Amino acid sequence: DIVMTQTPLSSPVTLGQPASISCRSSQSLVHSDGNTYLSWLQQRPGQPPRLLIYKISNRFSGVPDRFSGSGAGTDFTLKISRVEAEDVGVYYCMQGTQFPPYTFGQGTKLEIK
Amino acid sequence: EVHLVESGGGLVQPGGSLRLSCAASGFTFSSYSMNWVRQAPGKGLEWVSYISSSSSTIYYADSVKGRFTISRDNAKSSLYLQMNTLRAEDTAVYYCARGSARTYDYWGQGTLVTVSS
Repeated sequence: DIVMTQTPLSSPVTLGQPASISCRSSQSLVHSDGNTYLSWLQQRPGQPPRLLIYKISNRFSGVPDRFSGSGAGTDFTLKISRVEAEDVGVYYCMQGTQFPPYTFGQGTKLEIK
Repeated sequence: EVHLVESGGGLVQPGGSLRLSCAASGFTFSSYSMNWVRQAPGKGLEWVSYISSSSSTIYYADSVKGRFTISRDNAKSSLYLQMNTLRAEDTAVYYCARGSARTYDYWGQGTLVTVSS
């Protein structure tokens, strides 16, 4: 199974300031079809996960443009340009290149300073 | 609008059984693969099982293989998870999640399964 490792595990940020979360996979996420299936999910407190970003950098429907994804191969980053109060929660990266199983990172808790 | 609503969770003794259901609406259910993903209290996400749109392909996590059975009824737009021989470590919120473009694009609210004597 592909192991997904996120850093940091906790990220205190100031409202209005940027935030960044890193995700590294144990092997390349480039699929034989040429796509890289790396997604980011957000889980607000008491809520189910919600898809934010798919295929590295594509924002899902309704996701604000302050969220952006980047990276390639085994190293990926989720950036929030200006953190808002509603962004508090846990963020997970997830690989969909090798299945089964799709695997998740451990999660990064974003909290306000 | 896509909706996924899980039901069937509850408290069960070790060794017992439960059947979870997921009612889907707002999309053509028969065109999508579906999954169960669980989250133990205070922990991260763990994929449990996958079923293709036509039920022709099914996968399970090693942790539940031989104990859990996934199924679907496309006529009823419903997904199921039969869980047998439950263990304490199966305690979790169970989410149904729609598969699309090798990710999970929509999730239900989840149903809590507690295995305890």
